[in-house]
Amino acid sequence: GAVVSQHPSRVICKSGTSVKIECRSLDFQATTMFWYRQFPKQSLMLMATSNEGSKATYEQGVEKDKFLINHASLTLSTLTVTSAHPEDSSFYICSARPWSGGTTDTQYFGPGTRLTVL
Amino acid sequence: GNSVTQMEGPVTLSEEAFLTINCTYTATGYPSLFWYVQYPGEGLQLLLKATKADDKGSNKGFEATYRKETTSFHLEKGSVQVSDSAVYFCALSDRGQGAQKLVFGQGTRLTINP
Repeated sequence: GAVVSQHPSRVICKSGTSVKIECRSLDFQATTMFWYRQFPKQSLMLMATSNEGSKATYEQGVEKDKFLINHASLTLSTLTVTSAHPEDSSFYICSARPWSGGTTDTQYFGPGTRLTVL
Repeated sequence: GNSVTQMEGPVTLSEEAFLTINCTYTATGYPSLFWYVQYPGEGLQLLLKATKADDKGSNKGFEATYRKETTSFHLEKGSVQVSDSAVYFCALSDRGQGAQKLVFGQGTRLTINP
């Protein structure tokens, strides 16, 4: 149980185009999903917290107009990188926290999406 | 603020060696503590967790004990295997922060040689 998928796993795009990454919780409902960015050989940097049915909360320094997050259902969140540039190339990882009716702080991670902007 | 500090890597061991990866934390509230493992090219997998002082998390031969007095959550395994080669992340989630965001350590790359 507690499987999170991401699609696509790899994407290569031209500079100036937009890319959408999907994050799905396959066997549980997630009121909260998180988006991270990971640079080579570094730790994960939290970009934003996504709550179903409301606006995402962005971390300091993350451009909300560039990284659009939509959490339309309890099993799906999307990250759209708008007008991508080479410096946006990175490994993007999502995670989901199951809704338990109480408090649970365990997050389950997707396999990541490798974005390369040419 | 909350933070996690892991021992610096990379760590290289021979198969069947004893493993310790140190992790210490600072937190303002009552954190839960986690170890995640990342295999090459993949996302993170939850390895084990502990939610309160003196709890021991264990999985796949790995163990870590939540030590409040030393604010530590060191990862140990008695006999490592080549398949354990990966990057290991210590993390905390502070319920007192409301959003329950994870704070990660910098990661420790582990390589096990046959």
